[in-house]
Order: sequence, then structure tokens, then C-alpha cells
Amino acid sequence: GQSLEQPSEVTAVEGAIVQINCTYQTSGFYGLSWYQQHDGGAPTFLSYNALDGLEETGRFSSFLSRSDSYGYLLLQELQMKDSASYFCAVSPGVDTGGFKTIFGAGTRLFVKA
Amino acid sequence: DTEVTQTPKHLVMGMTNKKSLKCEQHMGHRAMYWYKQKAKKPPELMFVYSYEKLSINESVPSRFSPECPNSSLLNLHLHALQPEDSALYLCASSHLGQGGENEQFFGPGTRLTVL
Repeated sequence: GQSLEQPSEVTAVEGAIVQINCTYQTSGFYGLSWYQQHDGGAPTFLSYNALDGLEETGRFSSFLSRSDSYGYLLLQELQMKDSASYFCAVSPGVDTGGFKTIFGAGTRLFVKA
Repeated sequence: DTEVTQTPKHLVMGMTNKKSLKCEQHMGHRAMYWYKQKAKKPPELMFVYSYEKLSINESVPSRFSPECPNSSLLNLHLHALQPEDSALYLCASSHLGQGGENEQFFGPGTRLTVL
């Protein structure tokens, strides 16, 4: 089967750094994506890792280790507006010419003043 | 234009009604997706269209019928729904190939309530 595991909740204070981990087990693997979703909003793409290593985009970075089936999202200089749900998502591969994305259950991040 | 639009924003329907959800994008994306999302849960893939052809149907009941009239439009026709079908329905689009599918652009969703 296919599964992704991430913590259900994380709490941190403004200005801090927080890391949200994601481990996955899939029959195939093309890459690991991260999405942010505020309550009542739509998911918004944050980053994508196809290869091992760290990708940095402003305050957000994402890391992937294919050998460990593991990745994380690092949020620096936390702001109140970062309070949201964060989903890791895996592309297990192309299936009958299409493309499947499987989302983890999501991590709710609470940023406190 | 980097936006996916969806109409209506909210929809309330009875179990005998027929309604349609609409999605539009003008980013030149050739992959379009329908997801269903329940409260505090992740999006669940329902359908994928690649080059206007249905490529993935995740065993969705036939009371949900997708349609892709052209490369910019995606519809979801609803008929004889059940109360448990109440959810947020999200449309997304992406490029195809070279990892483009891993960056999906989501619309704001249609919040559907089935009475």
C-alpha cells in the first residue's frame, strides 16, 4: 500500500524555527511536495524535492532523503500567518497515462505570540 | 493569469437534484484534477484528466461524473448524491511532464452540502 506519516500537530512561538517531518512508503516515487492550507482556504504549493538534499525558498526549506524515505519542511522566522495545515504529498508514479498524488494526513501548525 | 477559478463557491442540494461544479484555468496546464476534502482531512484524489482525456478515476461512485470540454475547463456533474458526499470539492491543474505534476495549483473549492 501507499502511506505517508507526519505529525498531527506542532506548536511553536513567533520567530522560532519548526521542522515538520514526513516519512513515506509508496510503490513508486517521483518526488515529495509540500502544500500549505489555511482554514477555509485552498492548498497552496510550497516546494518540491525530486532529488536528495535541501531546497530553499525564502523562509521555507524542504529536504529529501530518498534512501530513508524521509523528508521535512523547515519553517524559519515563524510568523502568526504561518498557522495553517501543512501536507506532504508523494507522486508514486504515472498510472495508465495519468498522474496520482497522495497526500499525508496533514500537520496543523499553531504559532503563538 | 495564475489562478484556478471554481463556481459556485457554495452549493446546497437535495439527494434528487442534479447540479454541476465548474473549474477554469488559463495557465496552459494540460492536467486537471478533482479532489474531495472533508474537514480536517487531506484532499483525496477523485479524477485526473491528461490532455483532456480521463486518465485516472479513483473508484469514484457513478453519481459523480467528470467532464473536460476543453483544455481550460473541467466540470463535475452531480446526481443523486448522499449526505456523506458533503465536502469541499477542489479543482487543481498542473503542467504535464518534467515534474510539473508535482506543483499543482488549486482553486478555492466548492463547499457542497447534500441534504
